Amino acid sequence: AAGVIQSPRHLIKEKRETATLKCYPIPRHDTVYWYQQGPGQDPQFLISFYEKMQSDKGSIPDRFSAQQFSDYHSELNMSSLELGDSALYFCASSSHQRTSGRAGANVLTFGAGSRLTVL
Amino acid sequence: DAKTTQPPSMDCAEGRAANLPCNHSTISGNEYVYWYRQIHSQGPQYIIHGLKNNETNEMASLIITEDRKSSTLILPHATLRDTAVYYCGRGSGGYQKVTFGIGTKLQVIP
Repeated sequence: AAGVIQSPRHLIKEKRETATLKCYPIPRHDTVYWYQQGPGQDPQFLISFYEKMQSDKGSIPDRFSAQQFSDYHSELNMSSLELGDSALYFCASSSHQRTSGRAGANVLTFGAGSRLTVL
Repeated sequence: DAKTTQPPSMDCAEGRAANLPCNHSTISGNEYVYWYRQIHSQGPQYIIHGLKNNETNEMASLIITEDRKSSTLILPHATLRDTAVYYCGRGSGGYQKVTFGIGTKLQVIP
C-alpha cells in the first residue's frame, strides 16, 4: 500500500539559509500534519491542513510557513535557519471521518521523515 | 495542549507481556487515546486507539480506566523487535492533531 512520501530524506543547510520539505500524503487522504522532533524529544506538532486550508497551528516559528496544494501534497518552508532547527521533520496524513455526526478517531500515518541538519 | 505522561523507560523479558502505562488525567470527553511506537528514528507507527472501551487488535490491547484518566498498552508476548519508544497521545478525532507525550523507551531483553 502507498505510504506517506517525504523528500528529501536528508538535508544539510547553513545558518540563515532556507529549506523546503515536501510531503505527499496517502491517496485520498485529505489532511496533512507536520511535526518536528528534536534529539531525544517527542514529536511536536507544527501545523496541519485540511482540504488545502490551514486547520490548526502549533509551535511553528514565524520563520516557517507551509501550504497544501490542489493535489493535496504539502510543503514546509523554513527560512533564516538556526542551529536549533536541526531536527527530524515528520509529515503525517489522515482521512477525515465522521460517524453518526461525531468525529471518528483520527489515525495518522507518518512518513519516514526528513532529517534537517543546520551547520 | 496538555500532554500525556509516561515513564521514560521500561524493560521487559522476551516472551513476557509488556504493560506500558500512560496518564492523561486532563483528557476531555471527546478525546481519543492513541498509541504509536517509533523504532530508531523512523516515522511513528500507529498501534491502537480507544475512547472509552478496551480495545484489542493484532498488535496490542488497550485498557482504559473507567474514569479515562489513564490507560495501559499491553503487548502480550514481547519480542526483540518490539524494542522501541512508545508514545501515548491524545486527540479529538476528526481532523484534529494528535498530541504526544515524551514516550516510554521499551527495551525487550533476551
